[in-house]
Formats: sequence, structure tokens, C-alpha cells
Amino acid sequence: QVQLVQSEADMKKPGSSVKVSCKASGGTFSNYAISWVRQAPGQGLEWMGGILPIFGTPNYAQRFQDRVTITADESTTTAYMELTSLSSEDTAVYYCARHLQETSAVIPPNDAFDVWGQGTMVTVSS
Amino acid sequence: EIVLTQSPGTLSLSPGERATLSCRASQSVSSTFLAWYQQKPGQAPRLLIYGASSRATGIPDRFSGSGSGTDFALTISRLEPEDFAVYFCQQYYSSPLTFGGGTKVEIK
Repeated sequence: QVQLVQSEADMKKPGSSVKVSCKASGGTFSNYAISWVRQAPGQGLEWMGGILPIFGTPNYAQRFQDRVTITADESTTTAYMELTSLSSEDTAVYYCARHLQETSAVIPPNDAFDVWGQGTMVTVSS
Repeated sequence: EIVLTQSPGTLSLSPGERATLSCRASQSVSSTFLAWYQQKPGQAPRLLIYGASSRATGIPDRFSGSGSGTDFALTISRLEPEDFAVYFCQQYYSSPLTFGGGTKVEIK
């Protein structure tokens, strides 16, 4: 049974960057894409982008294109999401989530998410 | 970007009752690219339904999904105490992947 374990909560200053990790254990890592989804306090879910570890090719939501970098390290079965130029509007819980279907496509295909990390609270405040 | 509109915002029902939640898309997402999730306070979402009507692993059969094109529904045939939560729909027909605003199912 695959599990995704994320890094601990973090507090950042406006204008800085944050990097959140997501370690997979108990299953196949390389051929399942990982996406990042965030949820501001009391709000809905927002997809930021995803990556297929075996190829390392990310696919970003356009609104985050300039500020987000998603990477994956097959050797440690860990995915990362780095967000730059933080503002208070980036205060949210950040989740990693595994795509439902195994794939060999270079660009991570769109999919539902069947396994989620526990979430990482990122607070941006001066 | 495909916008998903969920209704109602809040559904007040008693255990044992039937719940029907709606999700409407701003353009067609086919009959294959719509998922439903359940989220409880302080927890990550849990996948219930994918492909509009396929139950995810371990999901009880009181949960069912239906619909195609732009109109979808999640039905909980008989509400159990653990079913009171927030439910989100998600489309994965086109990028960016988008979610509905959620329906809260609360105890009446």
C-alpha cells in the first residue's frame, strides 16, 4: 500500500520561497505521476502542477507557471514542490497526490488522485 | 479553464437519508474524466469515484456516481454517521485540472 509522507509545516516571510517534500513508500514510484494541490484556509482545492518521475517532465498550471518548480528524485522516491515570491495569498495546506493510473507518457497525463499526502501547512506572514 | 459549479452549498440531512449532490461543468468533460472526493476536517481528500461512475478501491457501494457531458451527480443511498463531510468534484478532461467549490453534508 503506497503512502505519501510530506515535510513538516513551515512559516515564511513575504517574498521568500518554500520547498515542500513528498516521500513515497510501499509501492511503485517512477511510473505514477505526482501532482501538487493546495487548499487555502476554509477554501477549495487548487491544482498547481504535476510530474512523472521516470521522465522528470513537469506540467504546470498556467497561473503558477512563473513561480513553481516541481521535481522528483527516483533514487529517494521523493517529489518536491518549490514556490517562489511568496505572499500572504499563498498561505495554504499543500498536498501531494498520486495519479490513479500508471503511465509511460512523457508528459504526465491528467488524472484523478487516489493517494494523498497528509498535507503541509505553509504560512506566509511578516 | 473548465469551471465546476457544485450545488447545493450545504445539504442538511439525517442519518439513513439519501443525499444527492450536483456538479455542473462549464463545458463538456466527457463521461470519463470526472471524479468525486470526500474531505473531513483536518484530513486530506479521499477519492470516492473516478470516471464519473467507478468506485475507488474500498469505497462502500452506498456511494454512486452518474452523469456525462456537463452534468454529474454523486448519490449516497443511506447516510452513515461517517459520511457527514465536504464533497468535491474534479475534472481531468483538460488542463488545468479543476475542482468544484464543494458541498458540505451536515447532520440535520
